Parts: sequence; C-alpha cells; structure tokens
Amino acid sequence: AQSVTQLDSQVPVFEEAPVELRCNYSSSVSVYLFWYVQYPNQGLQLLLKYLSGSTLVKGINGFEAEFNKSQTSFHLRKPSVHISDTAEYFCAVTQYNNNDMRFGAGTRLTVKP
Amino acid sequence: DSGVTQTPKHLITATGQRVTLRCSPRSGDLSVYWYQQSLDQGLQFLIQYYNGEERAKGNILERFSAQQFPDLHSELNLSSLELGDSALYFCASSSGEGLGSTEAFFGQGTRLTVV
Repeated sequence: AQSVTQLDSQVPVFEEAPVELRCNYSSSVSVYLFWYVQYPNQGLQLLLKYLSGSTLVKGINGFEAEFNKSQTSFHLRKPSVHISDTAEYFCAVTQYNNNDMRFGAGTRLTVKP
Repeated sequence: DSGVTQTPKHLITATGQRVTLRCSPRSGDLSVYWYQQSLDQGLQFLIQYYNGEERAKGNILERFSAQQFPDLHSELNLSSLELGDSALYFCASSSGEGLGSTEAFFGQGTRLTVV
C-alpha cells in the first residue's frame, strides 16, 4: 500500500522568508499526490495536487510543489511566507483507482514576525 | 466555508456508548469520505460512499459503521466506544467517484471525547 512521510514535524520561519515542506512517498504503482492545509479549528483545504503532466504544480496562496519520481518526493514551497500561512500542512497520496488516501503526519508551519 | 456540514461539532460520551455523527455533503456531490484524526494515529481514511454505495474501505473498526442515504447525507455510527476512539472525525465530499479526478472538500469535523 502507499504511504507518506513528512520529514519535518515543525518548521519555524520568519515572515517573508522562503519555506520548503518536505514530503516523500512510497508506492509500487503510479500515484496522485496532494497537499492540504489545516488552519486551527478548521477542516482540511486543498492547496494543490499532482495527477499527471508537468511536474511543477502551482496551487493557491502562492504555494507550489514539484513531483520528483526518481526521488519519490513532492516537496511544497513558497518563496515568501506570511503570518497567515501559519497552519498544519499535510501531504497525501492515493493510487490510481484507489480512494484510500494516505496522509502524512503533518508539518506545523509557524511564521514569526 | 467548504459547503460540507458536520453535526454535532462536539460530542462527549462515556465508554461503552454509541454515537452517530452526521455529514451533509456539498450540493451535488455524490461521494462522501470519513476520516479520523487523532494525535497518535494522525489522519486515517475510514470509508467512502458513492451515491449510496460503499466504494472504498480503510482502517475502519468493526465497531464502526457508516451509510449514505438517498438524499446523499451520511452517518458514521460508532459503538462500544473506548477511550482511544476520542478523536476529530472529518467528513469530506467530492463530485466524482475518484479522488484523483475531483477535489475533496472537508467539513470542520466532529470532536468526539470519550470519558
């Protein structure tokens, strides 16, 4: 079965600094990859997803992620973060024709002024 | 607002009891997914229904069951509750049958506390 590892449980950064949240996946077949954001006391919101095609995926709020098949990674990046980006970020994977979406443990991004 | 409504928002109950969590999907969405989020297990997929039929099953305990009704709302039933069932239970909905082709929208969750 597929699985996801988020390499950092917490990432503190200063406002306007760049950030990268790391995600590695494991699967024996082709996958779909997702990044979700969870603000306090909220449900999850989709930031972006990779299905096929271009390996660089752009999402909402200025985030982007790059699919790297050889390194089985799907790292999330933002060139300049804002205080409002403080939240929990989840990487997720699902296999083609399989709706069992597996989530990583989450990375708590804290943006400091 | 995602358009997915979950009730109740909070639920406190005793061990051994049974509870029902309710989810109303976004208008027009045919798929409903249930997830459990706990500190020790993280986010876990429980089960998916599509247009009233079970489509996919994850790490759902035998004490738990779900169904989707003709009006497409869904209920998750948790019985013989244990302390370890305390968690945030999310419902998500999507228009399509597969997660790859359509986006899943999440509700705000039901926080279950078993005492």
